Amino acid sequence: NAGVTQTPKFRVLKTGQSMTLLCAQDMNHEYMYWYRQDPGMGLRLIHYSVGEGTTAKGEVPDGYNVSRLKKQNFLLGLESAAPSQTSVYFCASSYTRQGARTGELFFGEGSRLTVL
Amino acid sequence: GENVEQHPPTLSVQEGDSAVIKCTYSDSASNYFPWYKQELGKRPQLIIDIRSNVGEKKDQRIAVTLNKTAKHFSLHITETQPEDSAVYFCAAPHRGSQGNLIFGKGTKLSVKP
Repeated sequence: NAGVTQTPKFRVLKTGQSMTLLCAQDMNHEYMYWYRQDPGMGLRLIHYSVGEGTTAKGEVPDGYNVSRLKKQNFLLGLESAAPSQTSVYFCASSYTRQGARTGELFFGEGSRLTVL
Repeated sequence: GENVEQHPPTLSVQEGDSAVIKCTYSDSASNYFPWYKQELGKRPQLIIDIRSNVGEKKDQRIAVTLNKTAKHFSLHITETQPEDSAVYFCAAPHRGSQGNLIFGKGTKLSVKP
C-alpha cells in the first residue's frame, strides 16, 4: 500500500517548456488535489477533483491544467513554464470532502520544480 | 476575504517547555480545524483536528483549543522534544473556496535539546 505517489521528484525546466506531474493513489479516494508550497506562503490549492472525470479550480489555478481520466491518477500540467512556477508541488487525496470526518488529506512526498 | 492567519512564524523553545501556536480564521461558518505537521523534507501529515461542537481536544502531549466566538484556535504542545521540531500548519474550510481548506502560512518550531 504505497499511499500517494508523485513523479518526478525533481525537475529543472527552462522558461517556456512544458511538463506533466503525475500523482497516483491506491487508497480508492474520490478526492484529489494539487498544492504548491512556497517559502512563507503555506500550502495553496491549485486545482482539485471530486471524482473521476471532474476537475475544478483552486486558489491559484493560472498557468496550470489538470486531468483526472482515471480515479487513481491526477495529472498536473504546465504548458509554458515560468520562473514564478518554481515551487514544491504536493499532490494529496482524501476519501471524502475536506472537513468531513473522513476528509483527512494524505499527501505525496512532493515534487521540486525549478524553472530557469 | 478568505484568510487564515497563523502566528508566530517561528518559535524556538527549550526541550521540556511548552509551545503554543495560534490561528485566526475569517469564515464564521467554518466548523473543522485541522493541524498538519511537516518535518524537514517530508510531506505534511495530520496530527490533530477539532470540530466546532467541542472547545478542546487532547491527544497525549498535543491539544487544540477552539474559540468560535473570537474565531481563533490554538495548538498546544507540552513537554516538547527535539522530534517535535517541524513546520506546523493550521487550516480552516472557507465557503469562498468551495469548502476546501485554507492553510495558514506555517510556524517553524525548533526545540533545542
